[in-house]
Amino acid sequence: RKEVEQDPGPFNVPEGATVAFNCTYSNSASQSFFWYRQDCRKEPKLLMSVYSSGNEDGRFTAQLNRASQYISLLIRDSKLSDSATYLCVVNPTSGTYKYIFGTGTRLKVLA
Amino acid sequence: EAQVTQNPRYLITVTGKKLTVTCSQNMNHEYMSWYRQDPGLGLRQIYYSMNVEVTDKGDVPEGYKVSRKEKRNFPLILESPSPNQTSLYFCASKHRGQSYNEQFFGPGTRLTVL
Repeated sequence: RKEVEQDPGPFNVPEGATVAFNCTYSNSASQSFFWYRQDCRKEPKLLMSVYSSGNEDGRFTAQLNRASQYISLLIRDSKLSDSATYLCVVNPTSGTYKYIFGTGTRLKVLA
Repeated sequence: EAQVTQNPRYLITVTGKKLTVTCSQNMNHEYMSWYRQDPGLGLRQIYYSMNVEVTDKGDVPEGYKVSRKEKRNFPLILESPSPNQTSLYFCASKHRGQSYNEQFFGPGTRLTVL
């Protein structure tokens, strides 16, 4: 089993749709969780950190489910500009700076 | 402007010819890291550094060397490149303090080894 797994997609959704991605992780001791956005072959950029209580930033909501070992990203009212690959990132071991990236979920928002 | 820079951005080389990819950040970050990105495999961590003169292996360190003599610079060295090191390489940096601190990535270096 991969340490961090994501559905590669692509998810093709119309503008205005709500779309959700999940990411599962294998190490139950994992400490920090993130969603990064990557446009085609450009550098990843932080979208959101994922906190235990869940967090929201505008149209984006991130949640953590430790019992089932997954994190989720919900995008409401999708925009054309949301088209990108969304990377799930996990810091599996407290006190270290190793980061495990998922392979990414590709989103296409269609006009 | 706060940024991470990498040079070169594109490089085509031949097997066995030593090369160095430079990485520099101007944000006074303690932590720096190198990743490679390959189709279907995502980003994989090669080496990281928590501070000057402190480096640790990531998941795929074989065939690479790094050094951290100055806080701002973290070069990646391929002593004898091979075709399986053809990849897109990213350097990243962050403040060390909080694990939730954002990693800032450089623009990437596309390396082809013939």
